[in-house]
This record gives sequence, C-alpha cells and structure tokens, in this order.
Amino acid sequence: DAGITQSPRHKVTETGTPVTLRCHQTENHRYMYWYRQDPGHGLRLIHYSYGVKDTDKGEVSDGYSVSRSKTEDFLLTLESATSSQTSVYFCAIKEGSGDPDTQYFGPGTRLTVL
Amino acid sequence: AQSVTQLGSHVSVSEGALVLLRCNYSSSVPPYLFWYVQYPNQGLQLLLKYTTGATLVKGINGFEAEFKKSETSFHLTKPSAHMSDAAEYFCAVSEPGAGSYQLTFGKGTKLSVIP
Repeated sequence: DAGITQSPRHKVTETGTPVTLRCHQTENHRYMYWYRQDPGHGLRLIHYSYGVKDTDKGEVSDGYSVSRSKTEDFLLTLESATSSQTSVYFCAIKEGSGDPDTQYFGPGTRLTVL
Repeated sequence: AQSVTQLGSHVSVSEGALVLLRCNYSSSVPPYLFWYVQYPNQGLQLLLKYTTGATLVKGINGFEAEFKKSETSFHLTKPSAHMSDAAEYFCAVSEPGAGSYQLTFGKGTKLSVIP
C-alpha cells in the first residue's frame, strides 16, 4: 500500500463545468502522475510532477491542468469538462529518487461528463 | 518513442490451464518492463518487473515473465490458471535514464478463466 488516496471516487458533472480531482499521498514521494484509462486505450499519461510547483505534460494533456503546491497533494483540473473527458482517472506515485522507476497506483476516480 | 503491443484484447483459458499473455515492445534503448494487474473496479497492482540481471522474473500470485531482447518481448505466464486470476493485465515500459520516469502502457488484455 503506497498510501495514495483519490477524491472524489465518483463524480457526475455537466459539460462546461470545472472539475478538480485530488490525489493525496502520505509518504513524501517526489514524483506523482495522472493517467486516464479508457477501453481499448490502456492508460495514458496526462501530466506528471517531479516536485512542488514542478510539473510537465504527458501524452494527452489538452484540456487538463495540474497543480502541486504541497508534496502530498497533486490536483488535476478540467477547466471546462467535455464528454470526451468521461473516463477513469488514476493517480500514481514513483518510489525512490532514481531508476528503476516503479509506479504505484491509487484506487481511481470515475468521472462522467453529461 | 516507446510503444507496447499486447496481442489479444481478450484471452480465455480453462481453470488449471497455462496462462500466456503476450507483450512486445519498441524502444531505442533496453527498457525497464512491467506487468500490472487490475481487478474489477480497482487500481493497478504491480505483478512483476524487469530492470537488469536475470531475464526470467518471478512475481506475485505464481506469475512470471521472461525478457527476450532478440524478440523484444516480455510475455507473462502462469502454469495453472485459477479463477481468481480473472482480471485485466497491462504491460508497460519505461526508458532508463529518462528524467520523467514515464510509463508507456499497452492497451491491456482481459483474462477470463473458465471453470
């Protein structure tokens, strides 16, 4: 158990509304990641963070922003949600400060955009 | 750029039969390789990983995988399937030395176990 929690676990929202998902970790890991999981696509990286206020884009970052003001929290924001952002969102942390890079995942947030 | 191909989006085996889930990768450097398992409505759990050294890697729940550089493969096997193995399995790669430590995932293989 890597001490990762995600909130909310389920959310239904309407197109055009802002949504923020939270990832919280208890073990001071430096690296944190946001993925989305869609049928037939596996998991795809949205954004990641390598420290407080240090973030970078992943493969599918359009329409998403992130923030990390504290080591333990990594927030994912959909500024104006669209139906294409209906997905399951997973947060992950990477243990250690170097290679090899094993990531551990949170329980996920199921987001439905109507 | 790295990529991962998992052959077969669905695999069905009988209880007690061999499980073989295929993973091939494309990478410009020898990668780190991972298998994760996802049970329904849960997050991903690490099954096993290859970084360096012995190419046959043993993981949890009786699974193992062999890194074959010449075939760019990292297939997952288990000698005897159990009902509790029914889940979705994901192969992933990362590039050693890449500062982001990003994982690139395959699309997943859903394993069904028939009683």
